[in-house]
Amino acid sequence: QVQLQESGPGLVKPSQTLSLTCTVSGGSIMSGPYYWSWIRQPAGKGLEYIGRLYTSGSTNYNPSLKSRVIISVDTSKNQLSLKLSSVSAADTAVYYCARASDSSGYGFDIWGQGTTVTVSS
Amino acid sequence: EIVLTQSPGTLSLSPGERATLSCRASQSVSNSQVAWYQQKPGQAPRLLIHDASSRATGIPDRFSGSGYGTDFTLTVSRLEPEDFAVYHCQQYGSSPWTFGQGTKVAI
Repeated sequence: QVQLQESGPGLVKPSQTLSLTCTVSGGSIMSGPYYWSWIRQPAGKGLEYIGRLYTSGSTNYNPSLKSRVIISVDTSKNQLSLKLSSVSAADTAVYYCARASDSSGYGFDIWGQGTTVTVSS
Repeated sequence: EIVLTQSPGTLSLSPGERATLSCRASQSVSNSQVAWYQQKPGQAPRLLIHDASSRATGIPDRFSGSGYGTDFTLTVSRLEPEDFAVYHCQQYGSSPWTFGQGTKVAI
């Protein structure tokens, strides 16, 4: 059974780069076809799509974040990564990685538990 | 970008009652590619419905989805105590994928 686990610093200073990793266990990140995504949720608010990486390697980003986001994969470690540059307090949120697969019509059928990131000096 | 508006913001019901949640899109969602998720405090969302009306694996049949074009509905036929949570809709018919703001189903 595929499981996802996010990890990374819980505190990031303003203007710095937020870097998170999602480790995939129980299956290969490059089998599929799958979309591997990052989604975030500020406290008490709704979910925000950050971007996705297809098993072919192609990426798609939310236009509101596109200039600051890079999503990539390390196949040797079976990990998905997120880099968000020039962060501000508005980027404080719980960050989730999630998988969308054709067996679920490309809804997000597997989620990590989420990791809380606070942007503060 | 497709904006999804969920209503009501909060739905106050009792166990055993029927819950009807709405998700309205600012433009037609291609191929009815809409999903519904349930989220409980401190937990990640759980996929309930995909493609507007298909139940995800292991989801009880009291959850059903319907809709087409710009109007989509999630119905819980008889609320169980564990169904009180926040529900999110999402469209993946066009990029960027987007979520609604959520509906809280409260006791």
